[in-house]
Amino acid sequence: AQTVTQSQPEMSVQEAETVTLSCTYDTSESDYYLFWYKQPPSRQMILVIRQEAYKQQNATENRFSVNFQKAAKSFSLKISDSQLGDAAMYFCAFLPNTGNQFYFGTGTSLTVIP
Amino acid sequence: EPEVTQTPSHQVTQMGQEVILRCVPISNHLYFYWYRQILGQKVEFLVSFYNNEISEKSEIFDDQFSVERPDGSNFTLKIRSTKLEDSAMYFCASSRIFSGANVLTFGAGSRLTVL
Repeated sequence: AQTVTQSQPEMSVQEAETVTLSCTYDTSESDYYLFWYKQPPSRQMILVIRQEAYKQQNATENRFSVNFQKAAKSFSLKISDSQLGDAAMYFCAFLPNTGNQFYFGTGTSLTVIP
Repeated sequence: EPEVTQTPSHQVTQMGQEVILRCVPISNHLYFYWYRQILGQKVEFLVSFYNNEISEKSEIFDDQFSVERPDGSNFTLKIRSTKLEDSAMYFCASSRIFSGANVLTFGAGSRLTVL
């Protein structure tokens, strides 16, 4: 069975600063994908960034980057130059390559302080 | 940008009643999903649907639940005889392909409150 753990229910960051959201997972799969989804209040979840487990290079998307540590089963999200629009619930998710069922963490609520 | 549309955004129902949640997936997507999130808990997989049949379902998705694609656009989740513990946010999602590179596009969710 797969589990995803986000140990930070809430985080806050000053505008323009950097924040890191933590995610760990547990799996016996060797091939899988990891995702960070963002859910603004009353809006749909949107994909922030995706990481293929077979790639050693950490994924980056503009101000968003990940620190993927496969051996440690850790997948943290770093948001640089935080903006007010980054305020949202962030979900870490795991997808085994053999299936189409996503496993989500409980989410981290990020507040951006002006 | 194409969106997954869900209706209603919020529904309040009495315990024991039937509820239908509706979703309009992105038009060229072939795979459809329902997830739910009980307040304060994880987003949980319910069911995936492809080619007019269920392709995968979780333990949560028992006989109380059913899904249907009644026409070319809608994808519905029916919950029969609702219980208090069915109160949750229900998310519909769709994807174009089935593979490890699958990227889901989610709707904004339907909040179900069972009284």
